[in-house]
Amino acid sequence: DIVMTQTPLSLSVIPGQPASISCKSSQSLLHSDGKTYLYWYLQKPGQPPQLLIYELSKRFSGVPDRFSGSGSGTDFTLKISRVEAEDVGIYYCMQSIHLPLTFGGGTKVEIK
Amino acid sequence: EVQLVESGGGLVKPGGSLRLSCAASGFTFSSYSMNWVRQAPGKGLEWVSSLSGVGTFIYYVDSVKGRFTISRDNAKNSLYLQMNSLSAEDTGVYYCARDKGSGCPDYWGQGTLVTVSS
Repeated sequence: DIVMTQTPLSLSVIPGQPASISCKSSQSLLHSDGKTYLYWYLQKPGQPPQLLIYELSKRFSGVPDRFSGSGSGTDFTLKISRVEAEDVGIYYCMQSIHLPLTFGGGTKVEIK
Repeated sequence: EVQLVESGGGLVKPGGSLRLSCAASGFTFSSYSMNWVRQAPGKGLEWVSSLSGVGTFIYYVDSVKGRFTISRDNAKNSLYLQMNSLSAEDTGVYYCARDKGSGCPDYWGQGTLVTVSS
């Protein structure tokens, strides 16, 4: 199984400041079709996960442009350009290049 | 608007069975693969099973193979998860999630809680 490792475990951010979360996979997520099968989710308190970024860097419908995904191969980053209060929760990366789908352990983002 | 509503969770004794349901609306159900993803209390996300739109392709995580069965009724816009031989390790919130393609769950239901305890 592909292991997804996220850092840091938690992050405390001042509103308006940037934030960055790292995710590393144990195998390359670059497929021969040219797509990178890496996704980012946010789980707000008491809610189900919501898709933010798919296929490495594409923002899902309705996701603000302050969220961006980047990286290649096995190293990936989610960046929030200016954190807002509504961005608190746990962020997960996930891969789908190989079954089973596997998630990172999560990064908890709090507001200072 | 895509809506997914899970039901069927509850308290069950070890070794027992439970059947979860997920009612879908707001999209052409038969055109999408569907997933079950679970979350143990205070823990991260674990993918459980996937089923293609017409039921041709079925996949399970190793820990539930032989115990869980995923199925769907496209006429009823419903997804199911039959869970047998349950153990404490199966305790958690079970989410139904639509697959936008390439194994990516996009829309998720609110989840249903399964508690396995004597």
